[in-house]
Amino acid sequence: AQTVTQSQPEMSVQEAETVTLSCTYDTSESNYYLFWYKQPPSRQMILVIRQEAYKQQNATENRFSVNFQKAAKSFSLKISDSQLGDTAMYFCAFNSLAGANSKLTFGKGITLSVRP
Amino acid sequence: DSGVTQTPKHLITATGQRVTLRCSPRSGDLSVYWYQQSLDQGLQFLIQYYNGEERAKGNILERFSAQQFPDLHSELNLSSLELGDSALYFCASSTWPSGIADTQYFGPGTRLTVL
Repeated sequence: AQTVTQSQPEMSVQEAETVTLSCTYDTSESNYYLFWYKQPPSRQMILVIRQEAYKQQNATENRFSVNFQKAAKSFSLKISDSQLGDTAMYFCAFNSLAGANSKLTFGKGITLSVRP
Repeated sequence: DSGVTQTPKHLITATGQRVTLRCSPRSGDLSVYWYQQSLDQGLQFLIQYYNGEERAKGNILERFSAQQFPDLHSELNLSSLELGDSALYFCASSTWPSGIADTQYFGPGTRLTVL
Protein backbone atom coordinates (compact mmCIF):
# COMPACT_ATOMS: atom_id res chain seq x y z
CA ALA A 1 0.00 0.00 0.00
CA GLN A 2 1.11 3.52 -0.68
CA THR A 3 1.70 6.04 2.07
CA VAL A 4 2.14 9.79 1.88
CA THR A 5 3.90 11.69 4.66
CA GLN A 6 3.76 15.39 5.35
CA SER A 7 5.82 15.81 8.48
CA GLN A 8 5.42 19.57 8.97
CA PRO A 9 1.99 20.30 10.44
CA GLU A 10 2.28 24.07 10.15
CA MET A 11 4.35 26.69 8.37
CA SER A 12 4.34 30.44 8.19
CA VAL A 13 5.77 32.78 5.56
CA GLN A 14 5.93 36.51 5.02
CA GLU A 15 3.98 37.91 2.09
CA ALA A 16 6.07 38.08 -1.12
CA GLU A 17 8.60 35.53 0.16
CA THR A 18 9.14 31.95 -0.97
CA VAL A 19 8.15 28.86 0.98
CA THR A 20 8.66 25.15 0.38
CA LEU A 21 6.28 22.47 1.64
CA SER A 22 7.66 18.96 1.99
CA CYS A 23 6.14 15.62 1.08
CA THR A 24 7.52 12.10 0.92
CA TYR A 25 5.79 8.98 -0.23
CA ASP A 26 6.35 5.27 -0.26
CA THR A 27 5.47 2.98 -3.16
CA SER A 28 6.86 0.00 -4.97
CA GLU A 29 5.38 1.16 -8.28
CA SER A 30 7.27 2.95 -11.00
CA ASN A 31 4.39 4.74 -12.72
CA TYR A 32 2.14 7.06 -10.77
CA TYR A 33 0.92 10.63 -10.41
CA LEU A 34 1.53 13.08 -7.63
CA PHE A 35 -0.59 16.09 -6.77
CA TRP A 36 -0.77 19.06 -4.48
CA TYR A 37 -4.21 20.22 -3.46
CA LYS A 38 -5.06 23.41 -1.61
CA GLN A 39 -7.89 23.66 0.90
CA PRO A 40 -8.62 27.28 1.89
CA PRO A 41 -10.93 28.18 4.79
CA SER A 42 -13.89 27.66 2.44
CA ARG A 43 -12.95 23.92 2.60
CA GLN A 44 -13.04 23.55 -1.19
CA MET A 45 -10.33 21.18 -2.50
CA ILE A 46 -8.48 22.95 -5.29
CA LEU A 47 -5.88 21.34 -7.53
CA VAL A 48 -2.61 23.27 -7.41
CA ILE A 49 -0.23 21.20 -9.50
CA ARG A 50 0.37 17.65 -10.73
CA GLN A 51 3.40 15.63 -11.72
CA GLU A 52 3.60 12.45 -13.78
CA ALA A 53 6.30 10.16 -12.39
CA TYR A 54 7.60 9.26 -15.86
CA LYS A 55 8.41 12.90 -16.58
CA GLN A 56 11.80 14.06 -15.41
CA GLN A 57 10.94 17.72 -15.79
CA ASN A 58 9.48 19.33 -12.69
CA ALA A 59 5.97 20.73 -13.12
CA THR A 60 5.33 24.46 -12.80
CA GLU A 61 2.11 26.46 -12.65
CA ASN A 62 2.71 30.21 -12.39
CA ARG A 63 4.04 30.83 -8.86
CA PHE A 64 3.87 27.15 -7.94
CA SER A 65 6.55 24.62 -8.80
CA VAL A 66 7.58 21.21 -7.55
CA ASN A 67 10.87 19.50 -6.84
CA PHE A 68 10.27 15.87 -7.75
CA GLN A 69 12.99 13.48 -6.68
CA LYS A 70 11.83 10.03 -7.77
CA ALA A 71 14.69 8.05 -6.27
CA ALA A 72 14.28 9.76 -2.93
CA LYS A 73 10.46 9.56 -3.21
CA SER A 74 10.21 13.22 -2.42
CA PHE A 75 7.74 15.73 -3.87
CA SER A 76 7.99 19.25 -2.45
CA LEU A 77 5.95 22.29 -3.43
CA LYS A 78 7.56 25.70 -3.78
CA ILE A 79 5.38 28.78 -3.62
CA SER A 80 7.07 31.93 -4.87
CA ASP A 81 5.96 35.49 -4.14
CA SER A 82 3.55 34.25 -1.46
CA GLN A 83 0.20 36.00 -1.34
CA LEU A 84 -2.37 36.32 1.44
CA GLY A 85 -4.71 34.17 -0.63
CA ASP A 86 -2.22 31.30 -0.40
CA THR A 87 -3.19 30.86 3.26
CA ALA A 88 -4.70 27.38 3.32
CA MET A 89 -4.12 23.76 4.14
CA TYR A 90 -2.05 21.96 1.51
CA PHE A 91 -2.34 18.26 0.84
CA CYS A 92 0.08 16.08 -1.05
CA ALA A 93 -1.56 13.13 -2.83
CA PHE A 94 -0.52 9.99 -4.70
CA ASN A 95 -2.38 8.12 -7.43
CA SER A 96 -1.20 4.83 -8.83
CA LEU A 97 -1.28 3.96 -12.51
CA ALA A 98 -1.45 0.27 -11.74
CA GLY A 99 -4.66 -1.64 -11.30
CA ALA A 100 -8.14 -1.33 -12.72
CA ASN A 101 -9.15 1.61 -10.61
CA SER A 102 -8.08 5.04 -9.44
CA LYS A 103 -7.90 6.53 -5.97
CA LEU A 104 -6.00 9.26 -4.22
CA THR A 105 -3.96 8.63 -1.09
CA PHE A 106 -3.49 11.85 0.86
CA GLY A 107 -0.98 13.05 3.39
CA LYS A 108 -2.22 14.63 6.61
CA GLY A 109 -1.76 18.11 5.22
CA ILE A 110 0.15 21.21 6.23
CA THR A 111 -1.37 24.48 7.34
CA LEU A 112 0.31 27.42 5.65
CA SER A 113 -0.17 30.93 6.98
CA VAL A 114 0.94 33.92 4.93
CA ARG A 115 1.69 36.95 7.11
CA PRO A 116 1.04 40.47 5.77
CA ASP B 1 -15.70 26.30 -9.73
CA SER B 2 -14.63 22.70 -10.45
CA GLY B 3 -17.84 21.75 -12.26
CA VAL B 4 -18.64 19.07 -9.67
CA THR B 5 -21.79 19.77 -7.68
CA GLN B 6 -22.82 18.32 -4.35
CA THR B 7 -26.03 18.62 -2.38
CA PRO B 8 -26.86 19.38 0.30
CA LYS B 9 -24.14 21.70 1.54
CA HIS B 10 -24.91 21.02 5.17
CA LEU B 11 -26.78 18.20 6.87
CA ILE B 12 -27.62 17.90 10.55
CA THR B 13 -29.20 14.72 11.79
CA ALA B 14 -29.45 12.44 14.79
CA THR B 15 -27.74 9.19 15.65
CA GLY B 16 -29.36 6.15 14.12
CA GLN B 17 -30.73 8.06 11.15
CA ARG B 18 -30.05 7.57 7.44
CA VAL B 19 -29.01 10.28 4.97
CA THR B 20 -28.26 10.50 1.25
CA LEU B 21 -25.59 12.73 -0.23
CA ARG B 22 -25.78 13.56 -3.92
CA CYS B 23 -23.09 14.37 -6.45
CA SER B 24 -23.10 15.38 -10.12
CA PRO B 25 -19.76 14.99 -11.92
CA ARG B 26 -18.19 17.36 -14.41
CA SER B 27 -19.61 17.12 -17.89
CA GLY B 28 -17.91 14.23 -19.69
CA ASP B 29 -16.42 12.59 -16.60
CA LEU B 30 -17.42 8.96 -16.18
CA SER B 31 -15.63 8.27 -12.89
CA VAL B 32 -16.92 9.45 -9.55
CA TYR B 33 -15.16 9.16 -6.21
CA TRP B 34 -16.23 9.69 -2.61
CA TYR B 35 -13.87 10.84 0.15
CA GLN B 36 -14.38 11.48 3.84
CA GLN B 37 -12.50 14.21 5.69
CA SER B 38 -12.55 14.04 9.47
CA LEU B 39 -10.31 15.55 12.12
CA ASP B 40 -8.93 12.25 13.37
CA GLN B 41 -8.75 10.28 10.08
CA GLY B 42 -7.81 13.00 7.65
CA LEU B 43 -8.86 12.61 4.00
CA GLN B 44 -9.80 9.03 3.21
CA PHE B 45 -10.91 7.41 -0.02
CA LEU B 46 -14.26 5.64 0.31
CA ILE B 47 -15.30 4.35 -3.10
CA GLN B 48 -14.96 4.79 -6.89
CA TYR B 49 -17.59 4.28 -9.56
CA TYR B 50 -16.97 4.19 -13.27
CA ASN B 51 -19.91 4.42 -15.67
CA GLY B 52 -22.27 2.86 -13.16
CA GLU B 53 -19.95 0.13 -11.91
CA GLU B 54 -18.08 -0.02 -8.64
CA ARG B 55 -14.32 -0.07 -9.35
CA ALA B 56 -12.58 0.41 -6.03
CA LYS B 57 -13.42 0.37 -2.36
CA GLY B 58 -11.44 2.01 0.40
CA ASN B 59 -12.17 2.35 4.08
CA ILE B 60 -15.93 2.42 3.61
CA LEU B 61 -18.06 1.13 6.46
CA GLU B 62 -20.69 -1.51 5.80
CA ARG B 63 -23.30 1.00 6.96
CA PHE B 64 -22.34 3.14 3.97
CA SER B 65 -23.25 2.40 0.38
CA ALA B 66 -23.08 4.23 -2.91
CA GLN B 67 -24.30 3.98 -6.46
CA GLN B 68 -23.89 5.73 -9.76
CA PHE B 69 -26.93 6.18 -11.96
CA PRO B 70 -27.25 6.08 -15.78
CA ASP B 71 -27.09 9.87 -15.94
CA LEU B 72 -23.74 9.50 -14.06
CA HIS B 73 -24.77 11.27 -10.89
CA SER B 74 -23.87 9.43 -7.73
CA GLU B 75 -25.37 9.06 -4.28
CA LEU B 76 -23.69 8.10 -1.03
CA ASN B 77 -26.04 6.57 1.52
CA LEU B 78 -25.07 6.62 5.19
CA SER B 79 -27.22 4.64 7.60
CA SER B 80 -27.37 3.93 11.34
CA LEU B 81 -25.42 7.11 11.80
CA GLU B 82 -23.04 7.49 14.72
CA LEU B 83 -21.42 10.55 16.21
CA GLY B 84 -18.13 9.54 14.62
CA ASP B 85 -19.63 9.80 11.14
CA SER B 86 -19.66 13.57 11.46
CA ALA B 87 -17.30 14.76 8.73
CA LEU B 88 -16.95 16.57 5.44
CA TYR B 89 -17.82 14.28 2.55
CA PHE B 90 -16.34 15.11 -0.82
CA CYS B 91 -17.27 13.88 -4.22
CA ALA B 92 -14.73 14.09 -7.03
CA SER B 93 -14.81 13.20 -10.70
CA SER B 94 -12.29 12.49 -13.42
CA THR B 95 -11.95 11.21 -16.94
CA TRP B 96 -10.43 7.92 -15.77
CA PRO B 97 -9.51 5.70 -17.49
CA SER B 98 -9.07 8.18 -20.31
CA GLY B 99 -6.61 11.01 -20.23
CA ILE B 100 -2.90 11.28 -19.68
CA ALA B 101 -2.99 12.04 -15.97
CA ASP B 102 -5.97 11.11 -13.90
CA THR B 103 -6.76 14.39 -12.23
CA GLN B 104 -9.65 14.36 -9.82
CA TYR B 105 -11.71 17.52 -9.45
CA PHE B 106 -13.54 17.97 -6.19
CA GLY B 107 -16.99 19.25 -5.38
CA PRO B 108 -17.58 21.72 -2.53
CA GLY B 109 -18.38 18.94 -0.07
CA THR B 110 -21.27 18.12 2.23
CA ARG B 111 -20.78 18.87 5.90
CA LEU B 112 -22.52 16.16 7.93
CA THR B 113 -23.16 16.71 11.61
CA VAL B 114 -24.58 13.83 13.66
CA LEU B 115 -26.01 14.87 17.02
